Amino acid sequence: SAVISQKPSRDICQRGTSLTIQCQVDSQVTMMFWYRQQPGQSLTLIATANQGSEATYESGFVIDKFPISRPNLTFSTLTVSNMSPEDSSIYLCSVGTARGEAFFGQGTRLTVV
Amino acid sequence: KQEVTQIPAALSVPEGENLVLNCSFTDSAIYNLQWFRQDPGKGLTSLLLIQSSQREQTSGRLNASLDKSSGRSTLYIAASQPGDSATYLCAVRANYGQNFVFGPGTRLSVLP
Repeated sequence: SAVISQKPSRDICQRGTSLTIQCQVDSQVTMMFWYRQQPGQSLTLIATANQGSEATYESGFVIDKFPISRPNLTFSTLTVSNMSPEDSSIYLCSVGTARGEAFFGQGTRLTVV
Repeated sequence: KQEVTQIPAALSVPEGENLVLNCSFTDSAIYNLQWFRQDPGKGLTSLLLIQSSQREQTSGRLNASLDKSSGRSTLYIAASQPGDSATYLCAVRANYGQNFVFGPGTRLSVLP
């Protein structure tokens, strides 16, 4: 298994500002993903965080809005830029183990006012 | 494109009942399937992982089955307890290294 620490757990932000979410894993992992969960909805993949190269974004998500860093195999950050109320969601970091099992951080509940 | 559905969307049962949650997926060419539990406002907790070559997995009061050819998985919860109240999500992965595609979840309430 993998233990994931995600910070902050929640935040209330002003529109137009940016928030950086951190994801720290207790072991080296190849696969790391960032998801968004809008209120009452299931999870939607934002991007795959690639170590040493640019993240791979899903349709509808762009690097200017959601820049991602992955400096090593245990750490990643997701920034939500120029926030609007529509960005209010739970943001989740996920990793995949060698046998293909996914583990999640506790999530960051973001409210934009 | 893989699509995952879950039935029912919500379920309310008295404590002690055995129950079944259903998950269907449109593309049977999957690498594995995983069931998760999510408490309100929290992250996801892994419950069971089933590899594509397996038919079922068990953990305590939980049993998950997989019928890849028909695109279905079921999560069986025995002797339900109020602490089982949560949203249950199933997710499928097409290939190793790829992300999971999630279903919308089943919101379970177990009444004392």
